[in-house]
Amino acid sequence: KQEVTQIPAALSVPEGENLVLNCSFTDSAIYNLQWFRQDPGKGLTSLLLIQSSQREQTSGRLNASLDKSSGRSTLYIAASQPGDSATYLCAVPRTGANNLFFGTGTRLTVIP
Amino acid sequence: GAVVSQHPSWVICKSGTSVKIECRSLDFQATTMFWYRQFPKQSLMLMATSNEGSKATYEQGVEKDKFLINHASLTLSTLTVTSAHPEDSSFYICSARDIKGADYGYTFGSGTRLTVV
Repeated sequence: KQEVTQIPAALSVPEGENLVLNCSFTDSAIYNLQWFRQDPGKGLTSLLLIQSSQREQTSGRLNASLDKSSGRSTLYIAASQPGDSATYLCAVPRTGANNLFFGTGTRLTVIP
Repeated sequence: GAVVSQHPSWVICKSGTSVKIECRSLDFQATTMFWYRQFPKQSLMLMATSNEGSKATYEQGVEKDKFLINHASLTLSTLTVTSAHPEDSSFYICSARDIKGADYGYTFGSGTRLTVV
């Protein structure tokens, strides 16, 4: 059974720092991986989608990498801002189904 | 980009009444939509998979008679919480994926905060 783990569970950094969030998954037979952010009391916002054939995707200050063979993905956030404070989730599709396995989440706080 | 609209964003209802939550894909079609429930500071829990034109598939432990799902078109799924009780108070989120296929990620609605009093 697929297990998705995110480290660290919580992270607090001063504004302007670069940071890395980690996601690991046990079953490498995935066809893509998606990173989301969730603000308190809100739905999920998709940040980046990486296909299995890709090694990384970039959007603005965000860069996500994928290493299927090692079962890992990282989300790099450059020059962090207080507005980046949220819970970040990685997710992979369930094998043989249409929905997602979610990671345990990383709660990020960027201190002004 | 793909957008999923979820309404209402919050609702307060009396115990024993029913509440309907709508989930619409605005700029894409989805044969399948998903309904999640989230408790405070916990991850999303999949409740059911909504299939256009057929019955929904419920996860183990989710009462299908309490959480009625209808997916009447390729852009709309509804979740009705019947005879709501205070323990049904929660945050409900829907999601959908473009019918075009696996290369498209999942898009989530903004969620509905249900409070049963």
